[in-house]
Order: sequence, then C-alpha cells, then structure tokens
Amino acid sequence: GENVEQHPSTLSVQEGDSAVIKCTYSDSASNYFPWYKQELGKGPQLIIDIRSNVGEKKDQRIAVTLNKTAKHFSLHITETQPEDSAVYFCAVRGGTSYGKLTFGQGTILTVHP
Amino acid sequence: ETGVTQTPRHLVMGMTNKKSLKCEQHLGHNAMYWYKQSAKKPLELMFVYNFKEQTENNSVPSRFSPECPNSSHLFLHLHTLQPEDSALYLCASSSARTGEQYFGPGTRLTVT
Repeated sequence: GENVEQHPSTLSVQEGDSAVIKCTYSDSASNYFPWYKQELGKGPQLIIDIRSNVGEKKDQRIAVTLNKTAKHFSLHITETQPEDSAVYFCAVRGGTSYGKLTFGQGTILTVHP
Repeated sequence: ETGVTQTPRHLVMGMTNKKSLKCEQHLGHNAMYWYKQSAKKPLELMFVYNFKEQTENNSVPSRFSPECPNSSHLFLHLHTLQPEDSALYLCASSSARTGEQYFGPGTRLTVT
C-alpha cells in the first residue's frame, strides 16, 4: 500500500519567518495531495490541495509544490503568525483507491511571537 | 448546520457499556469515513462507505460496528471496549467529483 513520510515532526519558527513541511510518498500513480491543519480540540481542516497535473498552487500565505518525479510535495507558509501554530498533516490519494487518503505522521508547528 | 457534525463531542464509558457515535454531513457527499486518532500516531482509517455500501474495513475489531443508513448519516456502535480504544474518533465525508475530504470535530472517547 501507499507509504507517506512527513518531516519534520516538530518545527519552531519566529513570527514572520517561513515554514516548510515536506512529505514523500511511494505510489507513483498517486494523484491528489491535500494538506490539513488541526488545531487543539478540533478536527483536521483542509487548507490547500494539489493534483498530479499541477506543479504548484498558492493561496495567500500558503503554497504547495509537487515533484512527481521525486515523489515528494511540500507545504510552504510565508510570513507566519502565531495563529498558524497547529499540527499539519499531509495526505495522499493513491491511484487505485477510491477516495481513500493515506496520512503523514503530522508536524507540530509553533510560531513564536 | 453546515459541514460535518459529530455527536457527542465527549464520551466516557465503561468497558461493559454500549454506546453509539453519530456523524452527519450536510455537503451532499456520497462517501463517509471513520478515523481513529491516538496520541503520537497518524490518523488511522477504520471504515469507508461509498453510496451507503461499506467498501473498506481496515481490520477493525468487531467491538466497533459501523452503520450507514443513508449517504448523510454514519454511526459507530461501540461495545465492550478496551482502555486502549480511548482516542479521538473522527468522521469525514468526500465528494466523488473532487475527492476533497472534510472532517467533523471528532468525539473524544475515554474508556474506563
């Protein structure tokens, strides 16, 4: 089955700095790559996603890049703010699985004021 | 109500109790999911339903019994649970057209 590795497991930055989280996957047929943000006491919230026919997608301060050849994708957060502090999960939908996502282990992001 | 809702938000039950978790989605989706989230572990997919039919059971113990009466509602029936079953149980739904998956707020379950 699909194997997803996410790094780093924890990330600490100063307010205003950029943060980058990277995920690698194993199934070359994977076609959908979402990122989720989970705040304390809440369910994961979809914040951005990218499909296999696109290399980069941006939404205000967040962006996702995809390298299909190397089988990795990354979440970039610029001008970080304390409210960006949360756990971030990457996920991958395999080429043969209907809707099923495989999740990374999560990254605890802390933004210090 | 919008999005995906779950009730109850918190549940404490003894090992001999029977309880049920409820999930409802208001997004018009046709797939629904149960996940288990334990501390320091990635999200574990438990069950998948597509158009009310169970399409995946990830070797979940029989003390967890899902039910999907229609595309908008999903239940997880619990009986004779173990303390290690204490976790956050998340429900999600997705659209066949976009694949985007949305989560509910979860039920924090504690088994004593």
